[in-house]
Amino acid sequence: DQQVKQNSPSLSVQEGRISILNCDYTNSMFDYFLWYKKYPAEGPTFLISISSIKDKNEDGRFTVFLNKSAKHLSLHIVPSQPGDSAVYFCAASDGSSNTGKLIFGQGTTLQVKP
Amino acid sequence: DSGVTQTPKHLITATGQRVTLRCSPRSGDLSVYWYQQSLDQGLQFLIQYYNGEERAKGNILERFSAQQFPDLHSELNLSSLELGDSALYFCASSGAGTENSPLHFGNGTRLTVT
Repeated sequence: DQQVKQNSPSLSVQEGRISILNCDYTNSMFDYFLWYKKYPAEGPTFLISISSIKDKNEDGRFTVFLNKSAKHLSLHIVPSQPGDSAVYFCAASDGSSNTGKLIFGQGTTLQVKP
Repeated sequence: DSGVTQTPKHLITATGQRVTLRCSPRSGDLSVYWYQQSLDQGLQFLIQYYNGEERAKGNILERFSAQQFPDLHSELNLSSLELGDSALYFCASSGAGTENSPLHFGNGTRLTVT
């Protein structure tokens, strides 16, 4: 039972354009969502997060949108740069579980072409 | 650099053997999490320790065990290894054990079972 799903295994965009990565979840108890970026031979690096009390959080070129009714979140990268090419993981946490553990999606490989 | 250190980086061993993976969390972090990433899969939560005690358990096999020591470093022990145990094993840490907060990951240990 996959509680966090990233249905697009890969995405290719042109440098300077917008990249939109999508994530769906099934567990309505999730109240904290994160995006991680992973380069080869490295561990995942925290990118941006959003609490369920918000519907948008912005940090520089990165914006995360949360649609609780649709159980959907997305990460927008504007403008995309070649250095953004990596695997992006969506993750969720259930605060009521009292653990802080994260449930991850399968990842989306983003390629930004120069 | 996340501040989380994992050793060794690579491990090659035979089926039936036992290995120990080591993790040093970021300075001051009390929680340690172990995740497994198999080929083309997302990160699967294995187990969490908080200040020396087990806090949460995921889909961790009975052949696997972990512990967190008084100096807060953690070890993941994998025994009776099978070919299917070949994967990347990530350790992560956070300051909190219960609240929603980002996890900080090490660069992982790549285990190959032959």
